[in-house]
Amino acid sequence: GENVEQHPSTLSVQEGDSAVIKCTYSDSASNYFPWYKQELGKGPQLIIDIRSNVGEKKDQRIAVTLNKTAKHFSLHITETQPEDSAVYFCAEQGSARQLTFGSGTQLTVLP
Amino acid sequence: NAGVTQTPKFQVLKTGQSMTLQCAQDMNHEYMSWYRQDPGMGLRLIHYSVGAGITDQGEVPNGYNVSRSTTEDFPLRLLSAAPSQTSVYFCASSYRAGGYEQYFGPGTRLTVT
Repeated sequence: GENVEQHPSTLSVQEGDSAVIKCTYSDSASNYFPWYKQELGKGPQLIIDIRSNVGEKKDQRIAVTLNKTAKHFSLHITETQPEDSAVYFCAEQGSARQLTFGSGTQLTVLP
Repeated sequence: NAGVTQTPKFQVLKTGQSMTLQCAQDMNHEYMSWYRQDPGMGLRLIHYSVGAGITDQGEVPNGYNVSRSTTEDFPLRLLSAAPSQTSVYFCASSYRAGGYEQYFGPGTRLTVT
């Protein structure tokens, strides 16, 4: 079945620094890669996504890169702020058209 | 729009009891799904529906039933609760299956003793 590995499981950065979270996947047919942010006590919320025909996508301080050959994709957050502290999940959609999620990364931005 | 709503927010059950977790969306989305979230394991798909009258199993369907009689509602039934079903349950919806943003509800925290 489809599998998504996400690293690291926890990440602490100083405010203003960058944060990078990486995911690898196994299904070569995967074509859609969203990232979700989950704040404490809430449901996950989409922050950015990328499709297999694109190598990079940016939205203000957030960017996602995709390397289809190596089957990995990454979330980059620049100029981190305290409100970026949350759990981040990567996900991939393969041939079955269902999302498979990574295990999550707890990001803490230290003031 | 209220988005995706779930009830109850919290529930405690005894082993063997049954209950229904409610989920509703007011965005006229075709696709709805149920996930469970356990520490260190991300979100795992339980059941999903691509439209009224159509449901299918996800990764971890055992012990759960669903139905989709209307576009808006997608209840999740626990037939005979077990401690292994202690988890946080999220309902989500999207315009269609495949490549569309999923909107998540606030979750139901279930404890089975």
